[in-house]
Formats: sequence, C-alpha cells, structure tokens
Amino acid sequence: TQLLEQSPQFLSIQEGENLTVYCNSSSVFSSLQWYRQEPGEGPVLLVTVVTGGEVKKLKRLTFQFGDARKDSSLHITAAQPGDTGLYLCAGAVHNNDMRFGAGTRLTVKP
Amino acid sequence: DAGITQSPRHKVTETGTPVTLRCHQTENHRYMYWYRQDPGHGLRLIHYSYGVKDTDKGEVSDGYSVSRSKTEDFLLTLESATSSQTSVYFCAISESTPGAGYNEQFFGPGTRLTVL
Repeated sequence: TQLLEQSPQFLSIQEGENLTVYCNSSSVFSSLQWYRQEPGEGPVLLVTVVTGGEVKKLKRLTFQFGDARKDSSLHITAAQPGDTGLYLCAGAVHNNDMRFGAGTRLTVKP
Repeated sequence: DAGITQSPRHKVTETGTPVTLRCHQTENHRYMYWYRQDPGHGLRLIHYSYGVKDTDKGEVSDGYSVSRSKTEDFLLTLESATSSQTSVYFCAISESTPGAGYNEQFFGPGTRLTVL
C-alpha cells in the first residue's frame, strides 16, 4: 500500500483543457513536493508546500496543500502538449525520508 | 542543471552477479540518495548519505549496500543481483534535509538495470 495515493493514474486530454490531479494520504506531512518527470530523465521539482491550506501558483499550475497537511492537488489551466509527463508528489515522513506517490501520467494531445 | 552523473546508464546482468552503480556530483551537496523506480510504486528510497562515510537505510534497503568515501561519489552495490532488483535507479542530491520545507532534491538521469 502506497503511503501517498495519486489519482488518476493516467489522464489523456486535449490541448486547452483544464485538469486536476490529486495526492492523498492518511498521514500528516511536514512538507509536500510536486515533481514532473519526462521519459528517460529524473524527476524535476516543481514546488514545495509547507503550510496547511497553502496555495502556490507557477504560471498555469496551481498547487494546494490541504488544511490538515495530508493531501494536495495540482491544477493545470489550459494544458499544453509541453505539460505531458509523469507528475509525482512526495511527502517528508521524517527529515531524510521522502515518500513518493506512484504518479499521474498526463498526456496532452495537440 | 545540477551536476549529477550516473554510470552506467544501462546494464544487463545475470542473477547472482555483483553490480555497482555510481553516482557522481559536482555540486558539493551534503546529502545523497539512491532510489529505485518501478511501475505502480513510484520512487522508493534505498539508502541515503548525510556525509562522507555516514549512511543510513531507506524504505527498501534489503539486498543493497552503499559507500561514500568522498563527498562527490555515492556507490550503490547489489551484492548478488536478483530479478526483483530489475528497475530504474536514480541518484539524488540535496543541500539540506528534505523535511526542512525548503529543500530541493536534484535527480540524476537514472540507470536502467536488468537482471536476467
């Protein structure tokens, strides 16, 4: 059983559509990170959220950390083909142990 | 891009043989990590290092050992490879601990290991 459950597992949409992906857990995290990974490469950090209820925006991406610091969401507005990739969330269990979700594989079709 | 290289990038080996994967960084970061990535499991921490000769186990450490004799190098050894260790292995580095809330892990390009 994954400590962090991500949904949906796969998502295929048309360019210009909006989407939300979720990262849920029954555990509380001191911080939560979102990464994007492209085929054949390592994950790249998009954002870190640390405060319950925090909302961070990165251009067309909006990240929210749940009030109880157990869950998070990533919303993409007007998706573009360049957003295609594997989106991973990761939570800090204790300082050196980051637990990753299995990821949401997003495909944005032109 | 953070200066992290992994070698080899691809390896095919047979069950029972020893395998060593190398991670090299040019960023002088204190922390280094080894993860494996498998479909349906995401990234799982194998071992990490918080300084030269200082290492600790992660979530899935059985069957793996590590060594860090220099700041820039972190080696992952499979003493006797098994088919269940077929995976993509990623090295990561960070300047401070992930739970600090502001830390960023930089990942290497990965090593694809196949154990036949």
